[in-house]
Amino acid sequence: QQQVKQSPQSLIVQKGGISIINCAYENTAFDYFPWYQQFPGKGPALLIAIRPDVSEKKEGRFTISFNKSAKQFSLHIMDSQPGDSATYFCAASRDGSARQLTFGSGTQLTVLP
Amino acid sequence: DTEVTQTPKHLVMGMTNKKSLKCEQHMGHRAMYWYKQKAKKPPELMFVYSYEKLSINESVPSRFSPECPNSSLLNLHLHALQPEDSALYLCASSRREGFSGNTIYFGEGSWLTVV
Repeated sequence: QQQVKQSPQSLIVQKGGISIINCAYENTAFDYFPWYQQFPGKGPALLIAIRPDVSEKKEGRFTISFNKSAKQFSLHIMDSQPGDSATYFCAASRDGSARQLTFGSGTQLTVLP
Repeated sequence: DTEVTQTPKHLVMGMTNKKSLKCEQHMGHRAMYWYKQKAKKPPELMFVYSYEKLSINESVPSRFSPECPNSSLLNLHLHALQPEDSALYLCASSRREGFSGNTIYFGEGSWLTVV
């Protein structure tokens, strides 16, 4: 029940295209859903986060869509750029505890110039 | 400012060596964490310090020994490691552990190679 399933494992997008990464969860007690962006050789950086009472959150070119009834959430990267090439991890947490912070398996995004 | 600073960035150590990883944050965060990350995998929680006290140890082998000298500093002492311990070690911090919406901020990591 703690699992967060992330897809696809890898994604190749042309510059200017839309990148979409999907995550699904089972535990309805999750109350916070952050996304992290990790460049090679660097630590994960918080990209954007959402709570389950909000259906969409946008920050610049990055948008989280959240479907509570389907227990799914997704990251959309509009106008994808080569500089967006990185690994993206979705995550879900409960009660603010690191022990309850569950990561997806990661998506390696490559944006072609 | 969400900066967590880790040193060293790279460390190579033999299996009989003793070394330490260091972490510092000046955001006033009262929770600090150690994570381990293998290539192409998500981070795995190792230890949690809350208000300078160890609150979570995820059954980590005793060859890893954490220390929190004060609210800004976190160390990870390494002794008698195995080659399979080679990984990226991430320090992280957050405002407070155990509150909904607790956002964890990661440092750049220390790359550890055990030879």
